[in-house]
Amino acid sequence: EPEVTQTPSHQVTQMGQEVILRCVPISNHLYFYWYRQILGQKVEFLVSFYNNEISEKSEIFDDQFSVERPDGSNFTLKIRSTKLEDSAMYFCASRGTSGNLAKNIQYFGAGTRLSVL
Amino acid sequence: KQEVTQIPAALSVPEGENLVLNCSFTDSAIYNLQWFRQDPGKGLTSLLLIQSSQREQTSGRLNASLDKSSGRSTLYIAASQPGDSATYLCAVTGANSKLTFGKGITLSVRP
Repeated sequence: EPEVTQTPSHQVTQMGQEVILRCVPISNHLYFYWYRQILGQKVEFLVSFYNNEISEKSEIFDDQFSVERPDGSNFTLKIRSTKLEDSAMYFCASRGTSGNLAKNIQYFGAGTRLSVL
Repeated sequence: KQEVTQIPAALSVPEGENLVLNCSFTDSAIYNLQWFRQDPGKGLTSLLLIQSSQREQTSGRLNASLDKSSGRSTLYIAASQPGDSATYLCAVTGANSKLTFGKGITLSVRP
């Protein structure tokens, strides 16, 4: 079964450093998402992406965050200058091609655990 | 703003018991509702999706119901097994297809 893959599984970085989290969505999907889950808290929406542009972003997704689809397969989340509070599990998700929102399942990757020291 | 609540936060049952996990949401203007399973330190596995026009969906020992007007969903697990031990998350799809999640119910099935 097709799956969303994320790399790396665990990223450790120093505060103030830039990180790039990578995702390979399911190949024929057109809608892409990033979510995060701080330890012990809810999974929170960060950003949605369609047709090479951001569809919606949350209040969390400030100027320190950016997303890109640099080629036909990868979807990346960049944090320019990491803070301690950015430590979380980051999930990438994708969904299919139908415009019918009701029918579309979002498929999630296994996540990248980001630890900011 | 949509809020999704799952109570209780944790549940422990003996193997073989049938159980119901509850989910409530504040804004009934949803496209669908998904139930996910999350194992410790792992990603999210979609279990069931119920479209807003549907009342229930079944997959194996799992049955999910949706009462959109009252803002409630339940996940029924029949004949629970130790392998069902995990956190179960409820999420609703709103405008722009973003998911809003509950905090989850951590289920422990005792052998």
